[in-house]
Amino acid sequence: AQSVSQHNHHVILSEAASLELGCNYSYGGTVNLFWYVQYPGQHLQLLLKYFSGDPLVKGIKGFEAEFIKSKFSFNLRKPSVQWSDTAEYFCAVYFQTGANNLFFGTGTRLTVIP
Amino acid sequence: GAVVSQHPSRVICKSGTSVKIECRSLDFQATTMFWYRQFPKQSLMLMATSNEGSKATYEQGVEKDKFLINHASLTLSTLTVTSAHPEDSSFYICSVPGGRRTEAFFGQGTRLTVV
Repeated sequence: AQSVSQHNHHVILSEAASLELGCNYSYGGTVNLFWYVQYPGQHLQLLLKYFSGDPLVKGIKGFEAEFIKSKFSFNLRKPSVQWSDTAEYFCAVYFQTGANNLFFGTGTRLTVIP
Repeated sequence: GAVVSQHPSRVICKSGTSVKIECRSLDFQATTMFWYRQFPKQSLMLMATSNEGSKATYEQGVEKDKFLINHASLTLSTLTVTSAHPEDSSFYICSVPGGRRTEAFFGQGTRLTVV
């Protein structure tokens, strides 16, 4: 069965620290990969997405993610976090099996301390 | 891009009452909308697929008589939690799919607390 896992439930960083959030999925076929962010009281917003091509994708607000097919991973990174990055981050995977559904990880709460 | 509006954002209700949550697609017509539920420290789990003009498709384990879905128009889907119980307290989110090649668009979610 398809699944998505995020290893970190809560990450606390100081401003300017580097960030890496892990995301792994369980499926050997073709996938589309997404990272969403939810700021307090706001909608889920798309940070970045990967469909094909360069496995290193760049998103908004300085975020990037690298798709490593051999590791079934799509980790999110940012070299220097800001207080405004405090939010909940969700990895999502669209498994191209025919069902029109996104599978989500459990989410990682990021707290950035000024 | 599409904007999805979900209302209300928070609701507290008494056990045994019903609560209706609305999901509107503001920018384009949506023949399909999805309803998700998220319990604390868990993934967003798909509850059901709302289909305009036909019955909703429920995921395994989701009670269709308890979670009534109506997709009356191409821009509005509603989820009614009937005879709510404290265990129904959760975060409910609707989304409009962007298709296989694009991302989905989400409402802001509804925090339901049943007391």
